[in-house]
Amino acid sequence: GQQVMQIPQYQHVQEGEDFTTYCNSSTTLSNIQWYKQRPGGHPVFLIQLVKSGEVKKQKRLTFQFGEAKKNSSLHITATQTTDVGTYFCAGRNFNKFYFGSGTKLNVKP
Amino acid sequence: DSGVTQTPKHLITATGQRVTLRCSPRSGDLSVYWYQQSLDQGLQFLIQYYNGEERAKGNILERFSAQQFPDLHSELNLSSLELGDSALYFCASSVGFREEQYFGPGTRLTVT
Repeated sequence: GQQVMQIPQYQHVQEGEDFTTYCNSSTTLSNIQWYKQRPGGHPVFLIQLVKSGEVKKQKRLTFQFGEAKKNSSLHITATQTTDVGTYFCAGRNFNKFYFGSGTKLNVKP
Repeated sequence: DSGVTQTPKHLITATGQRVTLRCSPRSGDLSVYWYQQSLDQGLQFLIQYYNGEERAKGNILERFSAQQFPDLHSELNLSSLELGDSALYFCASSVGFREEQYFGPGTRLTVT
């Protein structure tokens, strides 16, 4: 069945280091969304990518959608302690959303 | 504050019981989604409603059902509860069915 895999499961970085999480789907996606969930909080929408090969930036965050629309990545440059949380990708195939298992980011000051 | 409200915030109940979780979407949003998040796990999509009609179904058990009312609020009914149903249940809403989703604060269900 449809699956969206996300790696790594956990990432511990020193403040100032870069961080990347990867999302891979077994089938082509219509679009992909990224969410951030702070500890004890609810997921908060970050961005949506729709086009093949699309790249979008939000300050220190760079999001990419693969050419085949089956994979995506989120890269954070120079992490800060405020980046702590779990990052989820969510791929849409037809009417359903498939969330990745998330990457939990811990940033040491 | 996302504008999505969920009640109750916490619910503790016994196995075999039935509970109802309630969600009010953001003003103007027609779609409501329900998700289950077990401890330290990802989000499992359960079901989506759009303007009162079921639009997509995910991994929702037969013991669970949902509906969206004319005023667009939604309820998720969980019956014959089992210990494994203990989880955080999120509701999210969006304008249509392709846009970003706004999540509520969640209802934490504990089945003892």
